[in-house]
Amino acid sequence: DTGVSQDPRHKITKRGQNVTFRCDPISEHNRLYWYRQTLGQGPEFLTYFQNEAQLEKSRLLSDRFSAERPKGSFSTLEIQRTEQGDSAMYLCASSLGAGMAKNIQYFGAGTRLSVL
Amino acid sequence: DAKTTQPPSMDCAEGRAANLPCNHSTISGNEYVYWYRQIHSQGPQYIIHGLKNNETNEMASLIITEDRKSSTLILPHATLRDTAVYYCIVRVAWGGSEKLVFGKGTKLTVNP
Repeated sequence: DTGVSQDPRHKITKRGQNVTFRCDPISEHNRLYWYRQTLGQGPEFLTYFQNEAQLEKSRLLSDRFSAERPKGSFSTLEIQRTEQGDSAMYLCASSLGAGMAKNIQYFGAGTRLSVL
Repeated sequence: DAKTTQPPSMDCAEGRAANLPCNHSTISGNEYVYWYRQIHSQGPQYIIHGLKNNETNEMASLIITEDRKSSTLILPHATLRDTAVYYCIVRVAWGGSEKLVFGKGTKLTVNP
């Protein structure tokens, strides 16, 4: 059983650079979510997709952030002109769909971003 | 903001039951209670969820009070590997936002 896969696991970048993270959801899961987690805090919701449609975005998702899920399978999260405040763990989750039994979100291991 | 209140930390002896409380006094009729846990440097792991009846699975039991204003997650025989941050979350069952709103959770330490 393949879980949610995130790549890379760790990313170190310099301030001002662009970074892109990838998330592969569990097969046949049509919903995909991105969260961000800073040290000592719980995860915070960023955005979610149903298939290829981005249906909900948090105000945390500034103009420098963009997420895509072009074919309704994997997703990418890009951060442009990174700032030190972007240093965090970026988590991806997926769920099967509507209906409570199907809508449990399963998380990947995350991508830890460090902006120097 | 999270709609739940949890103690920041708890300790439990290995082999004993761990009982983690959660207050959700403003819960609505169509909101479920979810529990996740997060072991250091890993993503959150789903444990269990329920609406109003008590639930049990291979990981834990969830006891929800009759008025649904609080719940308790029970790990019947805690092991060292259960040391983690445990999050209690309420979320609408249908319609509404898809997001999970995490608070700071309870840091459970299982001691040998």
